[in-house]
Amino acid sequence: AQSVTQLGSHVSVSEGALVLLRCNYSSSVPPYLFWYVQYPNQGLQLLLKYTTGATLVKGINGFEAEFKKSETSFHLTKPSAHMSDAAEYFCAVVYSGNTGKLIFGQGTTLQVKP
Amino acid sequence: NAGVMQNPRHLVRRRGQEARLRCSPMKGHSHVYWYRQLPEEGLKFMVYLQKENIIDESGMPKERFSAEFPKEGPSILRIQQVVRGDSAAYFCATGEGLSYEQYFGPGTRLTVT
Repeated sequence: AQSVTQLGSHVSVSEGALVLLRCNYSSSVPPYLFWYVQYPNQGLQLLLKYTTGATLVKGINGFEAEFKKSETSFHLTKPSAHMSDAAEYFCAVVYSGNTGKLIFGQGTTLQVKP
Repeated sequence: NAGVMQNPRHLVRRRGQEARLRCSPMKGHSHVYWYRQLPEEGLKFMVYLQKENIIDESGMPKERFSAEFPKEGPSILRIQQVVRGDSAAYFCATGEGLSYEQYFGPGTRLTVT
C-alpha cells in the first residue's frame, strides 16, 4: 500500500540548532512530495514541494528539503531553528494517476527550546 | 485575494443531528478536496470534487457522509446523524488541477456531544 512515514512524532531542538524532520515514502515510482506546516487551530500551509527537476527544494521560512530517490526520502531541514518554527509538520505525497489526493504522514511536532 | 474559506470554524452538534460544513475555494480554483483530522491521527483524504462532479470518494465513510460542489456556491460536506466518533477537524483544500498544489482552509472543528 502507498504510505508515508515520518520518523519521530516529536522532535525537540534548541533555538539556533539544526532542524531535521524525516520523511520516507513507499513506492517504486517517485511521487510528488510536499511538506506542510500546521500551527495550533489553523489550517495547513505549504512549505515546499518537489515535482520534477532539481532535487534540493527551497521553501518558505528558510526551510529546504532534498529528494533522494535511492533512499525514497524527502527530509526537511532548516539550518537554525527559531522559536516561531514550533508547530506540527506534515509530509505528504501525491502519486501519479491517483486523482491528486494527498497521502499524509502522521506528522511531527517540533518543539523549539530557548 | 481571499484564500480558501471554511465555515463555520467551530460547530457543536448533539448525537443524531446533521452537520453541514462549507468550503469556498480560492478564486480560480475548481478542484476541492476534503480531509479529516481525527484526534491523535493524521490527516486522511475523504473526497475530491470538481464542479457538479464527484471524482474520487474512496475515503468517504459508506454511510451518513455526502459531499457536493454545485455549479454555484460553496462545496458542502454533510454528515447525517452525527456520532461522537465524527468529532474531528475537517479541512478542505482547493487547487487548479494538474499542478497538484493544494491550498488549505482554516478548517471546521466539529464537536459531537
